[in-house]
Amino acid sequence: ETGVTQSPTHLIKTRGQQVTLRCSSQSGHNTVSWYQQALGQGPQFIFQYYREEENGRGNFPPRFSGLQFPNYSSELNVNALELDDSALYLCASSLGAGPTNEKLFFGSGTQLSVL
Amino acid sequence: QQQVKQSPQSLIVQKGGISIINCAYENTAFDYFPWYQQFPGKGPALLIAIRPDVSEKKEGRFTISFNKSAKQFSLHIMDSQPGDSATYFCAARHGTNDYKLSFGAGTTVTVRA
Repeated sequence: ETGVTQSPTHLIKTRGQQVTLRCSSQSGHNTVSWYQQALGQGPQFIFQYYREEENGRGNFPPRFSGLQFPNYSSELNVNALELDDSALYLCASSLGAGPTNEKLFFGSGTQLSVL
Repeated sequence: QQQVKQSPQSLIVQKGGISIINCAYENTAFDYFPWYQQFPGKGPALLIAIRPDVSEKKEGRFTISFNKSAKQFSLHIMDSQPGDSATYFCAARHGTNDYKLSFGAGTTVTVRA
């Protein structure tokens, strides 16, 4: 086990609703990254937070937003849900940012289904 | 747009055999190449990683071969065991300000006893 915990494990929403996913990073880690993994695909980078600031963003629309708290836990918020948002959402924690940020430790993810 | 292309999509190997998974990339700004192993219902776990200035790295039964000029790298699983049955992802890190990982599409490995 990595020590990265995500909640909830499963979630069902309807199109147009909003959702908040939560992640507790591994002890001592100050960087959290979020990835979306569609069925049968590799994870896609959404964004990264380092010391409560967004520190990089992938090709996702603004309705995907996030927060990092002083204890380095994090939230991923998705507004106006679309059917294509159905996926496994993975949180990864790590130490530091930049070139030393190599070892990502993933949680087990939140499986989001949008109906 | 897949920045890291991975093949095959799936493979079956007998216990004790060798599993080989290949990946290719185009972006020369990539500076770190990890492999992740994912079991059903779990998140990916870092297996082994290599930097582009090294041609080979071995950890136990797992070996990465890296060909910088061809922009290709591969994972070899020696003496494959049923417990190795999982999905394997290659990835590449962007050596720029965001240092994000781009993942391949994954290879499902099944080891038959």
